[in-house]
Amino acid sequence: NAGVTQTPKFRILKIGQSMTLQCTQDMNHNYMYWYRQDPGMGLKLIYYSVGAGITDKGEVPNGYNVSRSTTEDFPLRLELAAPSQTSVYFCASSLDGSSYNEQFFGPGTRLTVL
Amino acid sequence: QQPVQSPQAVILREGEDAVINCSSSKALYSVHWYRQKHGEAPVFLMILLKGGEQKGHEKISASFNEKKQQSSLYLTASQLSYSGTYFCGTVDILTGGGNKLTFGTGTQLKVEL
Repeated sequence: NAGVTQTPKFRILKIGQSMTLQCTQDMNHNYMYWYRQDPGMGLKLIYYSVGAGITDKGEVPNGYNVSRSTTEDFPLRLELAAPSQTSVYFCASSLDGSSYNEQFFGPGTRLTVL
Repeated sequence: QQPVQSPQAVILREGEDAVINCSSSKALYSVHWYRQKHGEAPVFLMILLKGGEQKGHEKISASFNEKKQQSSLYLTASQLSYSGTYFCGTVDILTGGGNKLTFGTGTQLKVEL
């Protein structure tokens, strides 16, 4: 199993550009999450999904959009990039919504907006 | 409001012990602990549930005081590989459905020879 994979690993965007961060998991997990981690800080939840076709906002959703058309994929879209979105983005998955299940994290995407 | 961790940073010599604390202002259902090495993804260490159930690695121990909304992670006989930043993630009773974690401020641990 590859676990949770993310692409790209690094990206530099200009202000106002758009991009999609890709996330795929091969563990047949129902729940998937997007977090951002600013330098020296903890992770903050952007969006999450409880299954294909169902998504909901987390703590910091402004400026982002998500979709989930399959169990495996959970892309994160930035429509109009701003310098405040410079961060490391982590995708994670868990088997279900039980608090007994740990989250598995992808390697992250380091995004810089200039 | 994110959980507060203490200490913010600690330096150990190999073989020494450490305790990392996590405190929340909300009633908690569970506390998760993760370790993150520089430039890498967080890795799961431990889950502690309200009611006493635990799940995690054999060499890691932790406690959860449900009344005080506090958890502590105990690292004994530290090894160089223990170095990294430790995060607690909490699931609060009122809004925590869906295993949504609110991560703490982090504790940087460095183990030296």
